[in-house]
Amino acid sequence: QVTLKESGPVVVKPTETLTLTCTVSGFSLSNTRMAVSWIRQPPGKALEWLARIFSNDEKSYSTSLKSRLTVSKDTSKSQVVLTMTNMDPVDTGTYYCVRDVIEVMATGGINWFDPWGQGTLVTVSS
Amino acid sequence: DIQMTQSPSSLSASVGDRVTITCRASQSISIFLNWYQQKPGKAPSLLIYAASNLQSGVPSRFSGGGSGTDFSLTISSLQPEDFATYYCQQSYSTPNTFGPGTKVDF
Repeated sequence: QVTLKESGPVVVKPTETLTLTCTVSGFSLSNTRMAVSWIRQPPGKALEWLARIFSNDEKSYSTSLKSRLTVSKDTSKSQVVLTMTNMDPVDTGTYYCVRDVIEVMATGGINWFDPWGQGTLVTVSS
Repeated sequence: DIQMTQSPSSLSASVGDRVTITCRASQSISIFLNWYQQKPGKAPSLLIYAASNLQSGVPSRFSGGGSGTDFSLTISSLQPEDFATYYCQQSYSTPNTFGPGTKVDF
């Protein structure tokens, strides 16, 4: 059974750096057909993809948040870490860690998010 | 970035109704389109990948179609457990982007 679980602070102050850890089980972070992404959701709003890390340590980031995000992994610990600097109240929301399944089809490579972690609610407030 | 839109933003339906949600991409994305269901207070779950492929364990009343810029998610006979918010997501290019969601309620 594949599971992902997020951990980190519940509350951070404005301008602080958020560090979230995702611990995965049921698959290896060295599997070339999988990656791990972070996705967030402000209260009552839509989903926003933030970052992805592949098995070969290649990384990709949201265009608008790229300057504030860093993603890394420790394959031996089955953990992926997301850091977001200079937190603001608008960054309040639930942060999800998800498995990124990568398939090569006749039309090219495609990915989808499955499964999702339970999410962790982060509130930015002084 | 590719922009995703969905219509309607919300709809009211009854058990047994046939429901169709549409998703449109700002440029052609071939079949690189996935659908998710999110129930209140829960994480989203995958319903459909690559536009029309049903994820294992998802009831057959769900179906997806389309290619290029226009896609649809259809629930053939709405069940009580289907009242939720549905999101489309493109995986044609990075950053992956989601639609704004369609809430299906009573």
